[in-house]
Amino acid sequence: SQQGEEDPQALSIQEGENATMNCSYKTSINNLQWYRQNSGRGLVHLILIRSNEREKHSGRLRVTLDTSKKSSSLLITASRAADTASYFCASQNRDDKIIFGKGTRLHILP
Amino acid sequence: DADVTQTPRNRITKTGKRIMLECSQTKGHDRMYWYRQDPGLGLRLIYYSFDVKDINKGEISDGYSVSRQAQAKFSLSLESAIPNQTALYFCATSDRHRGFSYNEQFFGPGTRLTVL
Repeated sequence: SQQGEEDPQALSIQEGENATMNCSYKTSINNLQWYRQNSGRGLVHLILIRSNEREKHSGRLRVTLDTSKKSSSLLITASRAADTASYFCASQNRDDKIIFGKGTRLHILP
Repeated sequence: DADVTQTPRNRITKTGKRIMLECSQTKGHDRMYWYRQDPGLGLRLIYYSFDVKDINKGEISDGYSVSRQAQAKFSLSLESAIPNQTALYFCATSDRHRGFSYNEQFFGPGTRLTVL
């Protein structure tokens, strides 16, 4: 079964607002990654957070990791129309396998 | 030029036919992966290879086989295609790091396969 599960499945917000997506996983991980997918295209890596890190920033992205709750969140600040996409978390376990969640579809309204 | 390429990009075939999807990469990565994506199910790992002599089954390998012809090439075959193999297929690569893992994956553009 999939290790990562994103929440919510779909999210619509107004341009300029912040978007928050959550991810839960089941077993111990080495790191957790977030990817973006524009419709029908390949996934693009956004950010990686290691298991010994709690928070990481990259531009308008902020990722947190709570290993005690086996959860992560991705915050996109000041959203733009170009942020409309699906977002996936991917957990890399101790066997080095990367397992993807089902994704959150984000729609930025003009 | 794209670092990870997939051919064909689109394919329509009939039930029972043998199909091969090809993936090539110029990133020099050791690790290559095949995923399928279905609406609402995210990406599921079919097979992965950590080097030319290492092939491993993923979550959903039944009905599929792979060949790692070289470091840069990893092909996926459907021996006898069936309609529920209709999906978007992605190849991905990652580098190998010693010590603490850091395996960002780089994806190809995908192959849309339809089995009638």
